[in-house]
Amino acid sequence: RKEVEQDPGPFNVPEGATVAFNCTYSNSASQSFFWYRQDCRKEPKLLMSVYSSGNEDGRFTAQLNRASQYISLLIRDSKLSDSATYLCVVNPGNFGNEKLTFGTGTRLTIIP
Amino acid sequence: EPEVTQTPSHQVTQMGQEVILRCVPISNHLYFYWYRQILGQKVEFLVSFYNNEISEKSEIFDDQFSVERPDGSNFTLKIRSTKLEDSAMYFCASRGRREQYFGPGTRLTVT
Repeated sequence: RKEVEQDPGPFNVPEGATVAFNCTYSNSASQSFFWYRQDCRKEPKLLMSVYSSGNEDGRFTAQLNRASQYISLLIRDSKLSDSATYLCVVNPGNFGNEKLTFGTGTRLTIIP
Repeated sequence: EPEVTQTPSHQVTQMGQEVILRCVPISNHLYFYWYRQILGQKVEFLVSFYNNEISEKSEIFDDQFSVERPDGSNFTLKIRSTKLEDSAMYFCASRGRREQYFGPGTRLTVT
């Protein structure tokens, strides 16, 4: 089983639609979880941390299910600028000794 | 907003040559990292650095690689004798309380 597994897509979604991404991770001892976005040939940019209680930042909602080792990201009212690759990222180590493990990413294209 | 910076943006080198990639982390961060991304592949962890020493390294980070914080601001990655398979984007990151922030990367091309 891959350490972090994502559907690679591509997801082609009309502007204004809601889109959801899922991710699973293999190491049950993983401590922290994130979603990053990456534009073509650019650096990963932090989108949001993911907490067990779930968290929301504007149009973006992230959920974590530790029992199922599953992370999700929901984007509401999608905009053209949301087109990017979304990276599910897990820290399998202890806090303070972190080595982020990245999924291969899910590519999203928002269609006008 | 403070950000991680990296130089150069693109480095072309011949196989067997030494390269040094430079990073300036966010000023009040204490944890520093290098990652690489081969074209079309996922981002991979190389090494983490804290309190002037390596805290963890991956299998990729063999004896050809080294890191250093030569002064209070720079954080460098040295590859002693580059191989064709070292061609990749190299990202530096630094961490404050929880999240890691990435620099724009150095594209290394080994010919």
